[in-house]
Amino acid sequence: DGGITQSPKYLFRKEGQNVTLSCEQNLNHDAMYWYRQDPGQGLRLIYYSQIVNDFQKGDIAEGYSVSREKKESFPLTVTSAQKNPTAFYLCASSLSIRVGVYEQYFGPGTRLTVT
Amino acid sequence: EDQVTQSPEALRLQEGESSSLNCSYTVSGLRGLFWYRQDPGKGPEFLFTLYSAGEEKEKERLKATLTKKESFLHITAPKPEDSATYLCAVRLWAGGTSYGKLTFGQGTILTVHP
Repeated sequence: DGGITQSPKYLFRKEGQNVTLSCEQNLNHDAMYWYRQDPGQGLRLIYYSQIVNDFQKGDIAEGYSVSREKKESFPLTVTSAQKNPTAFYLCASSLSIRVGVYEQYFGPGTRLTVT
Repeated sequence: EDQVTQSPEALRLQEGESSSLNCSYTVSGLRGLFWYRQDPGKGPEFLFTLYSAGEEKEKERLKATLTKKESFLHITAPKPEDSATYLCAVRLWAGGTSYGKLTFGQGTILTVHP
């Protein structure tokens, strides 16, 4: 079955530690995205990537980093510089911006708790 | 500032009681409006894309419509399994290299009682 997988589902870290969230897709989608979701707020874009080896900052990129070495994978690192890292993190992908297909499909999410 | 506002924040219905959710936007250059369903603790599930005023899409008990300033998600004879948070998002024109950024509303929490 095609889809987007995120791991782990729950993640606990101590303050000051970097942590990497995994996102893999087998939909053959070109574009991938990372969002953060907090209670009472809409989804906020952290980073996005249109093609391999290229990515851009979204609205709230400070304290985060990404890489896109393979089409299928778009890992997100939450660094110790992120002041409020506890949140629900969602990865998404879309087929091809170049041909005008913009629907984004989401993974199941990773809930990160930092204490 | 471009904004997407969903109303009501929460809606409680009895099974079979039809209603509508609203998504209004104060943006220029709309290039698509998207509806998603999100169950607690899960990622959003894509429902519909609407591109132009007057367009309508249907799926089972859900029907999405679009005007120049808002979209409605109509739920006909809802069942308890329709309970979820419904999110809308808009995509704006951002020039030739538009990457398809979506701006999301805060969602409407729908609860359908048996």
